[in-house]
Amino acid sequence: ETGVTQTPRHLVMGMTNKKSLKCEQHLGHNAMYWYKQSAKKPLELMFVYSLEERVENNSVPSRFSPECPNSSHLFLHLHTLQPEDSALYLCASSQELLAGAQEQFFGPGTRLTVL
Amino acid sequence: AQSVTQLGSHVSVSEGALVLLRCNYSSSVPPYLFWYVQYPNQGLQLLLKYTTGATLVKGINGFEAEFKKSETSFHLTKPSAHMSDAAEYFCAVSDRTSGTYKYIFGTGTRLKVLA
Repeated sequence: ETGVTQTPRHLVMGMTNKKSLKCEQHLGHNAMYWYKQSAKKPLELMFVYSLEERVENNSVPSRFSPECPNSSHLFLHLHTLQPEDSALYLCASSQELLAGAQEQFFGPGTRLTVL
Repeated sequence: AQSVTQLGSHVSVSEGALVLLRCNYSSSVPPYLFWYVQYPNQGLQLLLKYTTGATLVKGINGFEAEFKKSETSFHLTKPSAHMSDAAEYFCAVSDRTSGTYKYIFGTGTRLKVLA
């Protein structure tokens, strides 16, 4: 595997389900990010981790719970979601926490549908 | 806070024609600017970025963008469109709030290339 991988690629869940999204980066980077991509809206930064420590939480509802057990893996735990949470969830990484001009490397995303 | 505006959510060009995707930003300080491309079922990939120095930036796949401070613009161009350029393009500015840089993305422009 190379780059940033995400599993599953597609997920359908009911509002009472609990599921998790997984992200793995094979680039040796120290910072990882979760974004939400909804149609006709800008990408929304959800969480930022640097060296496994959460450094930013952009007012994300508590039904989204991130976990970063090591610098290569990032999870997003989901529970009691709402239909409006349906979106493409993108994981990204960068060498270090963004210092202005750093490139982020994105995974292909998980397409989430909440019924 | 900084913002990014991409004019035209959909742009269609004929194969071989000029591609012009528009991006304007709001910033009170010199920004770092980026263009990313997202092909179907893939994550975002960096096309090019402006940090300092030369205002005309060349990227991958024949794309280039020009930073115009007086117009607060960073439009993306390619002289001759290929079918493989069909994708969604995102402009982003690097914004520093709370001591941490993060990207502010535009809403994206979907490019269609007509045979």
